[in-house]
Amino acid sequence: AQSVTQLDSHVSVSEGTPVLLRCNYSSSYSPSLFWYVQHPNKGLQLLLKYTSAATLVKGINGFEAEFKKSETSFHLTKPSAHMSDAAEYFCVVSRFGVTGGGNKLTFGTGTQLKVEL
Amino acid sequence: DTEVTQTPKHLVMGMTNKKSLKCEQHMGHRAMYWYKQKAKKPPELMFVYSYEKLSINESVPSRFSPECPNSSLLNLHLHALQPEDSALYLCASSQETGGYEQYFGPGTRLTVT
Repeated sequence: AQSVTQLDSHVSVSEGTPVLLRCNYSSSYSPSLFWYVQHPNKGLQLLLKYTSAATLVKGINGFEAEFKKSETSFHLTKPSAHMSDAAEYFCVVSRFGVTGGGNKLTFGTGTQLKVEL
Repeated sequence: DTEVTQTPKHLVMGMTNKKSLKCEQHMGHRAMYWYKQKAKKPPELMFVYSYEKLSINESVPSRFSPECPNSSLLNLHLHALQPEDSALYLCASSQETGGYEQYFGPGTRLTVT
């Protein structure tokens, strides 16, 4: 079984300040973890992924996340927010290495990031 | 190229209509997915195709009928939908179903009147 909890439904930051979006996961297996971003009326875009390699993962647009097994966390950070970062962010867990039809993505409920001038 | 394309972008249909949503990827991926997303919610999985065979149907009503004509194409046939079926329908693909990242299309915004 697997689950993911996004600890904040809304986060508001000022442009140029750091971003922290929090995610905790639960998995009975070795997890794959992802962050996706969704701008209004758009599809989901993959920001970054963790699949049991380096624990600090760098993604697109300056985002990064650190896998902490002891804390079962995978928080998303960015040093300096830009107006274009305003969007919905989803933390996602999956089960790595199991092929076939039974492996699904489990989505968090999402965090709405607002960036103010 | 990590692009998944979907057509149409918008669709308005009556409850007696028959329509189809189309999805295409050229990344050589062997798994393709349909999701339904309501406003302010995460996507909900509907169907999974693995190597062109239906491997998961998440108890979706029969008024939704998926089809995978080949490894690059995925269709979703719609018939006799209800207003509560109005949503954003997302297609995704992945290399395989073993925890690999999924790449999403831009979605089709469906309105049932």
